[in-house]
Amino acid sequence: QQQVKQSPQSLIVQKGGISIINCAYENTAFDYFPWYQQFPGKGPALLIAIRPDVSEKKEGRFTISFNKSAKQFSLHIMDSQPGDSATYFCAAEGGATNKLIFGTGTLLAVQP
Amino acid sequence: NAGVMQNPRHLVRRRGQEARLRCSPVKGHSHVYWYRQLPEEGLKFMVYLQKENIIDESGMPKERFSAEFPKEGPSILRIQQVVRGDSAAYFCASSKSGTGSTGELFFGEGSRLTVL
Repeated sequence: QQQVKQSPQSLIVQKGGISIINCAYENTAFDYFPWYQQFPGKGPALLIAIRPDVSEKKEGRFTISFNKSAKQFSLHIMDSQPGDSATYFCAAEGGATNKLIFGTGTLLAVQP
Repeated sequence: NAGVMQNPRHLVRRRGQEARLRCSPVKGHSHVYWYRQLPEEGLKFMVYLQKENIIDESGMPKERFSAEFPKEGPSILRIQQVVRGDSAAYFCASSKSGTGSTGELFFGEGSRLTVL
């Protein structure tokens, strides 16, 4: 119930391509879904977040797509760049859960 | 503006010793969270504290681990009698008024504990 399942574990994309990372959850009380980006040796940093009242949110090259009925959400990185190479974590929070529950992370490598 | 400050950044301990990890939240933030990150694993919640209070410690191992966030000074994560399995990166995060609907979570750069 408290888990957030993330896939794939790793992803290799060519420069200019689209990176897609998927997450799924079980707890229907979750109402906040952020994505965090982490570079090696650094702490995670908030990238973009969505609430279930919208199905999509776009910020620059980053888009979250949200499917409430399927309990799934995904991160799309358009025109992927080598500087996007990092680990990406999805997360969820809401209801009686007073903290962010993180997925297991996706290591993205964008090849030049 | 200083973000979340964690120290030490790297800590080496022998089995059976104690590890103390410190976290100074963003100025004005009164909510602190500790997460543990193991290699190739996600961030696992450990404990959520507000000033002088433990709000949720459901992710903390029952033994050897403790956390505090005193009225004055940094939050401390304490691991007694460390074992090799405690080797991990420990991240502290702070928020002005809780996560999600009320505030973004800011992470420090982590304290990497190695137990020999």
